[in-house]
Amino acid sequence: NAGVTQTPKFQVLKTGQSMTLQCAQDMNHNSMYWYRQDPGMGLRLIYYSASEGTTDKGEVPNGYNVSRLNKREFSLRLESAAPSQTSVYFCASRGYSNQPQHFGDGTRLSIL
Amino acid sequence: AQSVTQPDIHITVSEGASLELRCNYSYGATPYLFWYVQSPGQGLQLLLKYFSGDTLVQGIKGFEAEFKRSQSSFNLRKPSVHWSDAAEYFCGVYYGQNFVFGPGTRLSVLP
Repeated sequence: NAGVTQTPKFQVLKTGQSMTLQCAQDMNHNSMYWYRQDPGMGLRLIYYSASEGTTDKGEVPNGYNVSRLNKREFSLRLESAAPSQTSVYFCASRGYSNQPQHFGDGTRLSIL
Repeated sequence: AQSVTQPDIHITVSEGASLELRCNYSYGATPYLFWYVQSPGQGLQLLLKYFSGDTLVQGIKGFEAEFKRSQSSFNLRKPSVHWSDAAEYFCGVYYGQNFVFGPGTRLSVLP
C-alpha cells in the first residue's frame, strides 16, 4: 500500500549544485503536483501535471523544472540550487475530478 | 484570486477539551473544501472533505467540519481532544486543477 513515494527523504546541497527529486505513485492517478512548504506559508504549488505529457506552472515555478516521465512518475529538478530553495518538498497525486490529493512524506532539502 | 485564511497560527488546548479550528475561503463558485492534518515529519493526511449535500461533514479520528456558505467558513471541530491530535492542520479549497491551502494552524495539547 505504497501510495505516493518520494526520494530522497533528506538532502543537503551546496549553492549552484543541481538535483532531481523523484516522485512515483501507484494509484493510477492522472494528476500530480509538486509543492514546497515553508514555515508560516503553508503549501505553495510549484508545478503540476494534469495528465501524462502535460505540465503547468503553479504559484512559485522560478528556479524549477519538471518532467512527467510517465503516468506514475513526476520529477522536480533544481538546475542551480539557491539557499532560498531550502524547504520541504511534497509530491501529491489525485485521481478523478474533485477527489482529494494524496501526499508523499516529503523531501527535506537544505542548500548551503 | 482564490484564497484560504486560517486566523489562528497556534492554538493550545488541554487534553479532553473541545476544539474548533477556523477556516475562511474566498471563492465565487460552489467550493470543494478539505481539511488535512500533518504530524511532525510526515506528509499530509486527509481528515475530511466537503463537495455538496449535508453541510456537516464527518471525518476520521473523530473530527467534523461545518460548511457555512453565508460566512464563507469551513471550521473544523472535535468534542474531546487527545494528546495524539497535536499536529498542524491545513484547510484547503479545490478549484479547476488546483488546490489552495491556508497557512496552517498548529495545535498543541496540554496533558
